Amino acid sequence: GENVEQHPSTLSVQEGDSAVIKCTYSDSASNYFPWYKQELGKRPQLIIDIRSNVGEKKDQRIAVTLNKTAKHFSLHITETQPEDSAVYFCAASTLRVRGNQFYFGTGTSLTVIP
Amino acid sequence: SQTIHQWPATLVQPVGSPLSLECTVEGTSNPNLYWYRQAAGRGLQLLFYSVGIGQISSEVPQNLSASRPQDRQFILSSKKLLLSDSGFYLCALAGARGELFFGEGSRLTVL
Repeated sequence: GENVEQHPSTLSVQEGDSAVIKCTYSDSASNYFPWYKQELGKRPQLIIDIRSNVGEKKDQRIAVTLNKTAKHFSLHITETQPEDSAVYFCAASTLRVRGNQFYFGTGTSLTVIP
Repeated sequence: SQTIHQWPATLVQPVGSPLSLECTVEGTSNPNLYWYRQAAGRGLQLLFYSVGIGQISSEVPQNLSASRPQDRQFILSSKKLLLSDSGFYLCALAGARGELFFGEGSRLTVL
C-alpha cells in the first residue's frame, strides 16, 4: 500500500517569513495530493490540492508543487500570519470511480511567531 | 452543497461499555464514506470506508465495527470499549472531484 512521509514534524517561523512542508509518497499510482489544515480541536479542512497532471498550483499565499518523478510534493506558505498556526497534513490518493483511499502524512505543527 | 453531521460531539464512556457514533450526510447520493480516528496529538488513521449500503472495508483489526444501513448513514460501533479507543473520530465523504471532506468530529474519552 501507499506510504506517505511528512517533514518536518514541527516548524516555527517568524511572521512574514515563508514556511515549507514536504511530503514523499511511495505508490506511483497515486494521482491526487490534498493538503489539510487542522486548528486545535477542530476538523481538518482542505486548503489546496493538486493532481498528477499539474506541477504547481497556487492560491493566494499558498502553493503546492509536485514532482512525480521523485514522488514528492510540498506546501509553500508565503507571508505567514499568526492565523496560519495549525497542524498541516498532506495526503496521497488514487482517484477511482469508487473507493478512493487516502493516505495521510503524520502532520506538521506550524507555529507563526508574531 | 454537501454537509456531514456527526453526533455526539463529545462523550465520556467507561471501559467495557458500548459505543455508537453516527454520521449522516446531505446533498449527495451514493457517497464514499470513511471513518478516521485521531489520537491526541497524532495523525489520521483510517478505520473503515464504505462505497455503498452494506459495503464496509476495514483497514485495521480492532474492536470497532462499522455499518451502513442507509445510503447517507454511517455508524461506528463497539461492544466493549478499551482505553486505547479514546480519540477524535472523524467521518468523511469523498466529493464529486474526489476531495475528502470531514465532519466536525466526535471526541471520545474512555475512562
